[in-house]
Amino acid sequence: AQKITQTQPGMFVQEKEAVTLDCTYDTSDPSYGLFWYKQPSSGEMIFLIYQGSYDQQNATEGRYSLNFQKARKSANLVISASQLGDSAMYFCAMREGDTGFQKLVFGTGTRLLVSP
Amino acid sequence: AAGVIQSPRHLIKEKRETATLKCYPIPRHDTVYWYQQGPGQDPQFLISFYEKMQSDKGSIPDRFSAQQFSDYHSELNMSSLELGDSALYFCASSLEGGLGMAFFGQGTRLTVV
Repeated sequence: AQKITQTQPGMFVQEKEAVTLDCTYDTSDPSYGLFWYKQPSSGEMIFLIYQGSYDQQNATEGRYSLNFQKARKSANLVISASQLGDSAMYFCAMREGDTGFQKLVFGTGTRLLVSP
Repeated sequence: AAGVIQSPRHLIKEKRETATLKCYPIPRHDTVYWYQQGPGQDPQFLISFYEKMQSDKGSIPDRFSAQQFSDYHSELNMSSLELGDSALYFCASSLEGGLGMAFFGQGTRLTVV
């Protein structure tokens, strides 16, 4: 079974609008971490936001927020006030376990295109 | 702030040649991970090291080997290269005991011709 599922291969949004990128996950481990990364066409993998399974509040980082619904096992990324520079591939990833050296499992990604 | 440094950024090799990719983690990070991202694919975990010892192993071919050195930098050695090894290779580092946030380098794009 897929551990991370991103059902949107591509998303379009107009500049200045908000967009939600979906991510659902599957794990039986009570301790886990969820990550979102941005990969522009240049290829680098840029860390955006992190949510721990025991965190009580949704994570926020500037224009990025993570809508964490534990019971539904979803961790959607919300980008507010989209900018042209947000056009990129976005990956949701999960780390299982509570130690620092657990590998990440990635979803298949969502390509976001921001139009003027 | 210092980030994860990977070298080289681009590498072109012929089939059956060998390649060595280097990774310099963020200072004080003690864990290094290697990922392979094929064209249009999501990154796949290859191998990780904690305190210079292998901590986990993923779908790494036997033709590949890696190690972490005393200064915590890591090298991924790839032998008998195949066309299918063409990919973006990422190194990431983290601090054990932290939140497990892994920060990635800019990647090495390997092209096998």
